[in-house]
Amino acid sequence: NAGVTQTPKFQVLKTGQSMTLQCAQDMNHNSMYWYRQDPGMGLRLIYYSASEGTTDKGEVPNGYNVSRLNKREFSLRLESAAPSQTSVYFCASSLLSLYEQYFGPGTRLTVT
Amino acid sequence: TQLLEQSPQFLSIQEGENLTVYCNSSSVFSSLQWYRQEPGEGPVLLVTVVTGGEVKKLKRLTFQFGDARKDSSLHITAAQPGDTGLYLCAGVQTASKLTFGTGTRLQVTL
Repeated sequence: NAGVTQTPKFQVLKTGQSMTLQCAQDMNHNSMYWYRQDPGMGLRLIYYSASEGTTDKGEVPNGYNVSRLNKREFSLRLESAAPSQTSVYFCASSLLSLYEQYFGPGTRLTVT
Repeated sequence: TQLLEQSPQFLSIQEGENLTVYCNSSSVFSSLQWYRQEPGEGPVLLVTVVTGGEVKKLKRLTFQFGDARKDSSLHITAAQPGDTGLYLCAGVQTASKLTFGTGTRLQVTL
């Protein structure tokens, strides 16, 4: 039982490049989330999926897109990376919205 | 605008000392969660408080939810090096979303 897994763990991109961050959970959770964490800012919600087949914007969605591929998987895409997107990205899941969230180990992304 | 402000931002204490971390807002939350995050890992839930005035204890950690459900505190008694980490509060205000606080980074030294 791996919980929430994220790939890759580290990534360096040049400005304008694109990439997809992958997230999968094996806990049969309905809700999944993408956050970014920056120093002094806590965790900010980028997008979430309350249930399979639905996605909604969070606090900071600009520059990102998401896909809830199935109940297990929720990916985050950066179409044209910018230095302001340098951050640590966390995926999380919960049984239902607002229940305890289980976090993955994070992806550290640097955009140069 | 950050809805949840935590104080202090940083705290460095010696083993055996007591400390309190505060989580404050001008908004009302239906419930509030506390997480601890260790370096290189994701946050892990410590507790959820739901009722105004509620106090929950987890070994040496005591959590309190304010009567008006706008604020919360975390008190640690006799801190140990294993308590070192980033403490985050998170409030439930609207459907499906948590709002996280700014975090308190705690360092406990021998």
